[in-house]
Amino acid sequence: DAGVIQSPRHEVTEMGQEVTLRCKPISGHDYLFWYRQTMMRGLELLIYFNNNVPIDDSGMPEDRFSAKMPNASFSTLKIQPSEPRDSAVYFCASSFGRTIRNTIYFGEGSWLTVV
Amino acid sequence: DQQVKQNSPSLSVQEGRISILNCDYTNSMFDYFLWYKKYPAEGPTFLISISSIKDKNEDGRFTVFLNKSAKHLSLHIVPSQPGDSAVYFCAVRSYNTDKLIFGTGTRLQVFP
Repeated sequence: DAGVIQSPRHEVTEMGQEVTLRCKPISGHDYLFWYRQTMMRGLELLIYFNNNVPIDDSGMPEDRFSAKMPNASFSTLKIQPSEPRDSAVYFCASSFGRTIRNTIYFGEGSWLTVV
Repeated sequence: DQQVKQNSPSLSVQEGRISILNCDYTNSMFDYFLWYKKYPAEGPTFLISISSIKDKNEDGRFTVFLNKSAKHLSLHIVPSQPGDSAVYFCAVRSYNTDKLIFGTGTRLQVFP
């Protein structure tokens, strides 16, 4: 079975450019999460959706970040304009039902470098 | 301010010995506690969990202990194997939300 699919796997961009990260959750999952991994803060939850509706975006660092989920099989995380401090690994994860036990499945991550 | 803290960024253990990874949290409203394991260039994967009504959960070589009064969680791996070398994240969930809050991770290296 296909897991959570993220693209691109690696992105190098110049400061000020727009970055769009994409995610396809596991089919049938109704929750989708965007996390960011940095050395200093570990895995931070940026935003999560339930049935395509954003539930909690309190982790989104600034207005430069936005996320959408137009349908159950696709989500985007956009950074505009990008800055060097946005360099991190961005993970998308999905789950079925409420987040109990081992129901969150992560993608392989998108490595973003902003120079 | 970190609600979940893993104060040891790294740990080195000899193969066959016990690995103990620690995690501290700040909020008594957290009701579910998990450990995830992450290999390089891969996403985290679930390892083991425990609910707040228990103080111990065991799964093979992995045991998670919960001390609610101390707000402390630990993962024991016995015996440790080289394949256990990875970054381990603890995570917590607040009873009235669906989000997992992760710690900063501990890099475990198991050497022969």
